[in-house]
Formats: sequence, structure tokens, C-alpha cells
Amino acid sequence: QQQVKQSPQSLIVQKGGISIINCAYENTAFDYFPWYQQFPGKGPALLIAIRPDVSEKKEGRFTISFNKSAKQFSLHIMDSQPGDSATYFCAASISQGAQKLVFGQGTRLTINP
Amino acid sequence: GAGVSQSPSNKVTEKGKDVELRCDPISGHTALYWYRQSLGQGLEFLIYFQGNSAPDKSGLPSDRFSAERTGGSVSTLTIQRTQQEDSAVYLCASSLVSGAANYGYTFGSGTRLTVV
Repeated sequence: QQQVKQSPQSLIVQKGGISIINCAYENTAFDYFPWYQQFPGKGPALLIAIRPDVSEKKEGRFTISFNKSAKQFSLHIMDSQPGDSATYFCAASISQGAQKLVFGQGTRLTINP
Repeated sequence: GAGVSQSPSNKVTEKGKDVELRCDPISGHTALYWYRQSLGQGLEFLIYFQGNSAPDKSGLPSDRFSAERTGGSVSTLTIQRTQQEDSAVYLCASSLVSGAANYGYTFGSGTRLTVV
């Protein structure tokens, strides 16, 4: 019930293309769904997050799509750039108080120039 | 400081030795978390501290692992009698929690622990 499953494990996209990473969760009590970006040697950094009262959230080139009935959410990176090459993690938690985030396994994204 | 600071950044230790990893959270952040990231894996929750409440230790993998947070600020994660499977990057994060609101995690850069 605590798992968050992320796919694909790795992804190669051409510069200018759309990168799509998918996650699925089991615990229906989860109500906070962030995405983190991690560069080598650094800790993860919050990229964008969504709550289940909306189906989509967009910040610049990054969009989260959320499907509550399917218990799935995805990250779309539009006009992907070589600087977007990093590992991306989805996560989920119950939003109140001190959140204990449950993370997906990560997706290593490579954007080819 | 401006961010979450972890030390050391790298630690190589012999199997069976004890190690201490340190985390300095962002000043004023009330919640502090430890996660473990094994090679090519996601982040595994270990423990969190929130204010004066009892810590949530539900993620600690064995009794060789312990952590404390002194004065509501600095935290130390201790691993006793290290094993090779303890090799991983240990990440600390802190967040500001006010009532029911949590203003998001800030992670440190981690301590890479290698047990030889």
C-alpha cells in the first residue's frame, strides 16, 4: 500500500522533444504528489508538485498530469533540453504535518543534443 | 545557513566499524528527515524528527541504526558495526512545518558511505 511505482527506469529523448515519466500509487490516503530532480552528486530538488483536487499543473516547460481514479500521475517535460538530463523521482505522501514521502525508483533522463 | 549541510560528503569505513553522519538543517526548519539512496534505487525513508515529538523510526532497517537530534537542530545518524550492504548515499532533508502545513523538503547533498 505504501509503494509508488515509476517508469521507465531510463529514457533518452532528442533535444526539443517531449519527455514523459509515469508513476502509479496504491494508498488512496496520499494527497500530495511532488516530483524531484537530482543531478549527480547533489540531493534531490523539488521541481513541481500537485494535489488531487486538480488534474493538471503547469510550471514553465514542466507539467504534472494527475488521474485520481487510476491512481496515476505523470511528468511531462516539453521542449526538452540537454540541461534537463538528470534523474527524476516521483513521490507521494499525506500532506498534513510532517510528510513522510514515499519515492518512486527514479528515471534517468538523457536529452541528446 | 542557506541550505541543508551534511558532513562528511564521503566516508570510507571498514566493515564492523561505527560511523556517524551529521546533518545541519536550515535554521528554523522544524522537521528533519533521513533517507538512504542505494545505487540506482529510489530514496528509502529511515527516520524523521518533528519538533519535540517522538521521532518516527519506522524506516530504520536494523537496530544497528540510530539517530538523534539535539536542541531541535543538528542531527546525527549513527550506524554501528557497519556492513557492506550499508554502502549508500545518506540524504538529510529539512522542512518548515506549521500546524498542518508543510512547506516542502530541502535536501542536502548527502554523505556517500562506502563500507569495505
